[in-house]
Amino acid sequence: DIQMTQSPSSLSASVGDRVTITCRASQSISRNLNWYQHKPGKAPKLLIYAASSLQSGVPSRFSGSGSGTDFTLTISSLQPDDFTTYFCQQSYNTPWTFGQGTKVEIK
Amino acid sequence: QVQLQESGPGLVKPSETLSLICTVSGDSINSYYWSWIRQPPGKGLEWIGYIYYTGNTNYSPSLKSRVTISLDTSTNQFSLKLSSVTAADTAVYYCARDSGVLFYMDVWGKGTTVTVSS
Repeated sequence: DIQMTQSPSSLSASVGDRVTITCRASQSISRNLNWYQHKPGKAPKLLIYAASSLQSGVPSRFSGSGSGTDFTLTISSLQPDDFTTYFCQQSYNTPWTFGQGTKVEIK
Repeated sequence: QVQLQESGPGLVKPSETLSLICTVSGDSINSYYWSWIRQPPGKGLEWIGYIYYTGNTNYSPSLKSRVTISLDTSTNQFSLKLSSVTAADTAVYYCARDSGVLFYMDVWGKGTTVTVSS
């Protein structure tokens, strides 16, 4: 299985801050990396697919980059609605695997 | 707007079979791939498997011997059966639509909690 290592596991930030979350794969996954936002009790929401493609309806403050083994999710200006958990997922090989998640908290 | 809703018993006894249904609304199940994913308490997400609308399946090797995913086009539902459950199968179970091609999961259900306990 491909292991996905996500960091940090949590971070504290303020509204307006630029936030970066990293996901590293145990082997090259080309650009087959997706990012999701997950609020407690709600359905996870796709933010970014194929490493850098913004899902329809997702605000442009979210962006993704990377290829091979190293990937980044950036929130350019953190908004109150963004304080929640984010996780990455590789779709290069089954079984699909996920990062452990990053909880973004209010500083 | 496509919506997915998981349903099924919230409590299952050890050694029994966990059965869940995902109801798809706003789209036909006769396309895409349809996945099940779970998250045990305090742990990360684990992909269980998917079914293609043709009926072809792909299961996680760690669960393959106990998992069956099927679909019913007449009711626009797909289901998960996990046999011989133990406490380690206690989790929030999610269903999701898998796009195919790039295999990102673009629509998810809210999840349902299943506890394995006697």
